Amino acid sequence: DTGVSQDPRHKITKRGQNVTFRCDPISEHNRLYWYRQTLGQGPEFLTYFQNEAQLEKSRLLSDRFSAERPKGSFSTLEIQRTEQGDSAMYLCASSFNYGYTFGSGTRLTVV
Amino acid sequence: AQTVTQSQPEMSVQEAETVTLSCTYDTSESDYYLFWYKQPPSRQMILVIRQEAYKQQNATENRFSVNFQKAAKSFSLKISDSQLGDAAMYFCAQGSDGLTFGKGTHLIIQP
Repeated sequence: DTGVSQDPRHKITKRGQNVTFRCDPISEHNRLYWYRQTLGQGPEFLTYFQNEAQLEKSRLLSDRFSAERPKGSFSTLEIQRTEQGDSAMYLCASSFNYGYTFGSGTRLTVV
Repeated sequence: AQTVTQSQPEMSVQEAETVTLSCTYDTSESDYYLFWYKQPPSRQMILVIRQEAYKQQNATENRFSVNFQKAAKSFSLKISDSQLGDAAMYFCAQGSDGLTFGKGTHLIIQP
């Protein structure tokens, strides 16, 4: 197991398009988190799952953002009708017993 | 609401010297964790050190140690014998499920 994997590494999309990012956590980790990081800022928590249950989603930035973890393994983060303000790095992390490991992130550019 | 404040946007230290990065936080949680993460230009967040809030003993990891003052809600990171590879953004984070991050301190190592 080589850590948390995120795909794609980079995504350029036109404003108004939908995008989906994937995160594959460390297999032994039961919790999975999504964060957004804009330039010059620390990561901002969006949502998290324990196994397949989404335990916190009030921090998602708008109803255009949604996340799933259908079988308690990989997770997807979808942004509908993208806006230029959605341009950022989207980070995934997984944990077991509060030992967090982050992926390399997906950099989204909305043009 | 939880907040994490890193009051030093940038710090510079000579190679082999010691540097301390400051972090204060505010939370209503009674049980939580504190973290320092390093983010090199490659963008992957790397765990430097973790502290459980219920433990009074300060965590150490080789050249990295913390000064945890729970009553003051302070969590500073000391890096001893600074090396060129320590140059990065350093983020302080607090929480349990869903971390709150500070804005980061850019650490420069002068050769």
